[in-house]
Amino acid sequence: EIVLTQSPATVSLSPGERATLSCRASQSVGDYLAWYQQKPGQAPRLLIYDASNRTTGVPARFSGSGSGTDFTLTISSLEPEDFAVYYCQQRSHWYTFGQGTKLEIK
Amino acid sequence: QVLLVQSGAEVKEPGSSVRVSCKASGGPFSSVSFGWVRQVPGRGPEWMGGIIPMLATANYGQNFQGRVTITADESTSTAYMDLRGLRSEDTAMYFCARADLSSATARYYDSWGQGTLVTVSS
Repeated sequence: EIVLTQSPATVSLSPGERATLSCRASQSVGDYLAWYQQKPGQAPRLLIYDASNRTTGVPARFSGSGSGTDFTLTISSLEPEDFAVYYCQQRSHWYTFGQGTKLEIK
Repeated sequence: QVLLVQSGAEVKEPGSSVRVSCKASGGPFSSVSFGWVRQVPGRGPEWMGGIIPMLATANYGQNFQGRVTITADESTSTAYMDLRGLRSEDTAMYFCARADLSSATARYYDSWGQGTLVTVSS
């Protein structure tokens, strides 16, 4: 099973700041990696697929990068609605999710 | 607009089984992929398995092999997840999710149900 390790577990930032979230895979997943956003009481929402492609309606401040085993989700300037938990997911070999990064307001 | 509506919360005794349903509307059913994802509060999601109704063959995550069965009924556009041998550790929110195989997002889950809370307790 491919293990995804996200870091940091929690990050505290202020609106307007830049957020950088990391996801490392235990073996190469190519670019078959997605990022999801989850808010309390809601299902995850797909933001980024195939490492760097935004889904329809996702603001341009969200961007993804990386390939192989190291990936990054960047939020260029945080808006109040961006504070949530973010998960990475690979689909190279079935599916696994990371344990999440909680983005909280400082 | 794809909508996935799941069945309601369940309370089950240890050792019993649970069936959660997921009714899809607003898009094709047979040619997409449905997955089931479990989430324990405070932890990351865990893929349980998935099915492409057109192929009628399910695949399962290794942590659930032998204990879960995923099926789909094309006549009612409903996917099902059966979990057997319930234990307290199975207490979690269970989500169904859909991947549109013909879209750019392909095998990623871009539509989700509202979740079904399953509580296992004696």
